[in-house]
Amino acid sequence: DAGVTQTPRHEVAEKGQTIILKCEPVSGHNDLFWYRQTKIQGLELLSYFRSKSLMEDGGAFKDRFKAEMLNSSFSTLKIQPTEPKDSAVYLCASSNSQNTLYFGAGTRLSVL
Amino acid sequence: AQSVTQPDARVTVSEGASLQLRCKYSYSGTPYLFWYVQYPRQGLQLLLKYYSGDPVVQGVNGFEAEFSKSNSSFHLRKASVHWSDSAVYFCVLRLTGNTGKLIFGLGTTLQVQP
Repeated sequence: DAGVTQTPRHEVAEKGQTIILKCEPVSGHNDLFWYRQTKIQGLELLSYFRSKSLMEDGGAFKDRFKAEMLNSSFSTLKIQPTEPKDSAVYLCASSNSQNTLYFGAGTRLSVL
Repeated sequence: AQSVTQPDARVTVSEGASLQLRCKYSYSGTPYLFWYVQYPRQGLQLLLKYYSGDPVVQGVNGFEAEFSKSNSSFHLRKASVHWSDSAVYFCVLRLTGNTGKLIFGLGTTLQVQP
């Protein structure tokens, strides 16, 4: 089985740009998560989908961060407009009914 | 409030030595507990998990963890570490009854010296 696939692996953006990160979950998984990872804050939840429905979003991220699940095998995370403080690694994870998360390798975002 | 504490930000051990990485959680319900490992420039990979039953759970690559309800702990152990075990280790609590809520520790960086 393929794992969680995230693209691109690296993204460099100018302040104010719009960027879109992509995620393909493990086939058959119903739960999909987006996390932001920084050394200081650790892992912060951005969005959680169950069967394509948004179940939870990270309240602090609502204004410029929008995650969508277009179908059961594809999700995007849009950041608009980007700010330098958004520089981080963005991780996508999916889960089956047994609650175990499977993570992608992440997208490293640098905002200049 | 629910929380996960990994009290050691960094642990350094010699190759072949035994290892314990500590994890304490705070949660009034029945916890699902996980240990994940993150190698440089990679995502998090599952080492082991605990739901119920035998408090000692075995994971991949010789890792094991012991759940203690009385101590609210889920410490990770390995009898003999290898240099390739150098990575960041995360203890994770998943709340029951709310499958979207995961609580991550800040991680412990393990450095294994040859």
